[in-house]
Parts: sequence; C-alpha cells; structure tokens
Amino acid sequence: SQQGEEDPQALSIQEGENATMNCSYKTSINNLQWYRQNSGRGLVHLILIRSNEREKHSGRLRVTLDTSKKSSSLLITASQAADTASYFCATDRDDYKLSFGAGTTVTVRA
Amino acid sequence: GAVVSQHPSWVICKSGTSVKIECRSLDFQATTMFWYRQFPKQSLMLMATSNEGSKATYEQGVEKDKFLINHASLTLSTLTVTSAHPEDSSFYICSATGGTGRDEQYFGPGTRLTVT
Repeated sequence: SQQGEEDPQALSIQEGENATMNCSYKTSINNLQWYRQNSGRGLVHLILIRSNEREKHSGRLRVTLDTSKKSSSLLITASQAADTASYFCATDRDDYKLSFGAGTTVTVRA
Repeated sequence: GAVVSQHPSWVICKSGTSVKIECRSLDFQATTMFWYRQFPKQSLMLMATSNEGSKATYEQGVEKDKFLINHASLTLSTLTVTSAHPEDSSFYICSATGGTGRDEQYFGPGTRLTVT
C-alpha cells in the first residue's frame, strides 16, 4: 500500500530557481529515499536518509527528515532543464519493502 | 555501479495472450527482486517480491495466477502476465537488491505493456 503523500503534485519553475517538494508518511521508518523518474523511464536513486539523520546533501540536492512530523523535504538548488522529471519519496516498510509516495512532477522552464 | 536490465522495453499483445517480461541484474547477484506496476501519472505499486529459488510473495490484491513470477537464478527474474486484458496495460518496473532486502534497490528501465 502507498504510505507517502507528496506535495505539491506539480511544480513549474524557471531555470536557476530552487525547487522544494515535501513527503509525509504515516508509520515509523528505518530510512527514507528519494528517486527521480524521467518520463517513461525507470527510477534513479537520488539519496537515502536514515531515521537518525536530520539532513543530508548530495550535490545540488538537500534532503531533510523530521521523524516527529513524519515528513521529509527534497530541495533542488539552481535547477537545470535536466532536472525536469517526477520525484518520488519511498519509505521502507517493516518488511523492508518500499512504499512510494504519489510523486511530484517538476518542470524546469528555460 | 549496479545495473538492472529489463526486456522487452515495450510490448504490444492481443487480449487473451500471455507476455513474459525479464529482469536481469547484470553485474551483481540479486537475492531479492521486486516487481512494480505504474499507471500513467501515478506512483509505483509493489506487486510482488521474489527470492531466488523460492515462491514469490504477492501483495494484497495482486492475483498470483495472473502474474506469474519466477526467480530461477541469482541474476534473472521473470514476470508473466497470463491471459492479458486491456486493463493490464501498464508500465512494469523491476528492482533488485543483493542483500537481505534492506540494501538499496536498483531499478530496471521498465517495460511498457499495451494490451489491445
């Protein structure tokens, strides 16, 4: 079953601007992951943040995790046209299977 | 890095026929593979988990006789959609992990199935 809820559903920004999307989940987790999916393609793993971590960076990506609020955010700084994609958060269930959020579609305008 | 391939990348079949989709881990041994389906503009829904040499575990609501999964080796899992119907048209994605299932999952590029 789907655990994560993401907002916004869609985001349109100008190249160079930052993009922020949020993910909320319902049950306790071991870790939370963010993935990118280009149209009609498979998923690319972006970043994993463990439940005892609060913030993680990878290049232009910054992920935060607030386990008290059961929420995470993904920030993409200085967006580029290549960042146009759908972004999904995924939490691991008790049995370590992944449960994906609904996704945020990001469009970066030139 | 770990690479997972899927074949075919897209397939069109007639209603009532069966279609087999292959998922291969190219440079690591995948003890666990996962099959997802994704409808247009929607999220991925886990269908089943397969472990090498044992029966697949299906998620609630997924018909195991409809979606046959075989994980015959440490590098290959197959999903067969039997007696396909138009409502089975979807994007099927597999992922593989080399550990206990807690490790990072590596995703295949997906297979677009269209049933006419």
